[in-house]
Amino acid sequence: QQQVKQSPQSLIVQKGGISIINCAYENTAFDYFPWYQQFPGKGPALLIAIRPDVSEKKEGRFTISFNKSAKQFSLHIMDSQPGDSATYFCAASISSGGFKTIFGAGTRLFVKA
Amino acid sequence: GAGVSQSPSNKVTEKGKDVELRCDPISGHTALYWYRQSLGQGLEFLIYFQGNSAPDKSGLPSDRFSAERTGGSVSTLTIQRTQQEDSAVYLCASSPQYEVNTEAFFGQGTRLTVV
Repeated sequence: QQQVKQSPQSLIVQKGGISIINCAYENTAFDYFPWYQQFPGKGPALLIAIRPDVSEKKEGRFTISFNKSAKQFSLHIMDSQPGDSATYFCAASISSGGFKTIFGAGTRLFVKA
Repeated sequence: GAGVSQSPSNKVTEKGKDVELRCDPISGHTALYWYRQSLGQGLEFLIYFQGNSAPDKSGLPSDRFSAERTGGSVSTLTIQRTQQEDSAVYLCASSPQYEVNTEAFFGQGTRLTVV
């Protein structure tokens, strides 16, 4: 019940295309859903996050779509660029009570020029 | 410092030797995590410290692995009798867990190579 399942494991997208990464969770107590971006040789860094009181959050070319009833959320990268090539991790946590953040397995995105 | 600091950045050790990896979290962050990341793989949770609570050690792969967090700040991950399969990048992250924003801030990692 503590798992966050992420798919696909890897993704190749043409420059200018839309990259879509999906995550699903079981624990309905989760109330914070961040996405992290990791470039080679670096630690992951927060990209964008959403709370379940909204169904969508957009920041530039990055959008999180959240479906509370289905317990799913996804990251959409519009107009994907080669510089977006990285590993993306979804995560879930509970913002009170000291609950640890649970990470998905990661998606390696490669954007072809 | 402004971010999470890990040392050393790279460590090469001989099989069977013990190693210590250090993490300096962001000042005031109550939560601290250790993760292991093998080449091209995801984040493998190792251990989680939260304030003065007992740590969550459920991710430690064997009794050769241990971690401490002294004074609620600096943490040390110790691997005894290292094996080649321990080779990976070890990432530390800290978080202001009791605040609304529970973003985890990661260090650059320690790349451990066991030869």
